[in-house]
Amino acid sequence: QQQVKQSPQSLIVQKGGISIINCAYENTAFDYFPWYQQFPGKGPALLIAIRPDVSEKKEGRFTISFNKSAKQFSLHIMDSQPGDSATYFCAASMLGYKLSFGAGTTVTVRA
Amino acid sequence: DAGVTQSPTHLIKTRGQQVTLRCSPKSGHDTVSWYQQALGQGPQFIFQYYEEEERQRGNFPDRFSGHQFPNYSSELNVNALLLGDSALYLCASSLGLAANEKLFFGSGTQLSVL
Repeated sequence: QQQVKQSPQSLIVQKGGISIINCAYENTAFDYFPWYQQFPGKGPALLIAIRPDVSEKKEGRFTISFNKSAKQFSLHIMDSQPGDSATYFCAASMLGYKLSFGAGTTVTVRA
Repeated sequence: DAGVTQSPTHLIKTRGQQVTLRCSPKSGHDTVSWYQQALGQGPQFIFQYYEEEERQRGNFPDRFSGHQFPNYSSELNVNALLLGDSALYLCASSLGLAANEKLFFGSGTQLSVL
């Protein structure tokens, strides 16, 4: 069964706009929540990650918001650029255990 | 500093055949994990190797097996290939078992089963 559910499947945003991707999980033992960025023909690359003891983490134009009680977390891409066009995956794991990935969101940034 | 390297990049096989995929971890890393990524889906964990032993395994049949060598490189073997095995196979490396936040992925091997 899919342990992490991701939405939307795809989104289109204008240059300079905000992209928002949402994920939900069931396993309350998860304690690590990363986001990966994948370009065509490449493997996923870690973008930003959060642990459940904080509600928000920001790195440059990328922000993770985390809601422990709702078992949800989201990625916000501010000031979206054409170079941000990629597929984004949320994931979750317990320390030292396998990563469970969402199904991915394809983001297209229109210039 | 070389990252995670995988070979071959593309492979075409027919049903029933066997295939071996190879992975060299990032310099300094000692743990290798394998993931299967079907078209339009997120990666699914196959198994993880550390100190030449399988440490964790995902929900994959015994047709999927692996090996880790003393130099930390790894192989993924799939026997009796099925059409549904067509996917991108990703290798990821890290330093130590409890190091998910330092996981580096290779570009993968695209396997097509005809």
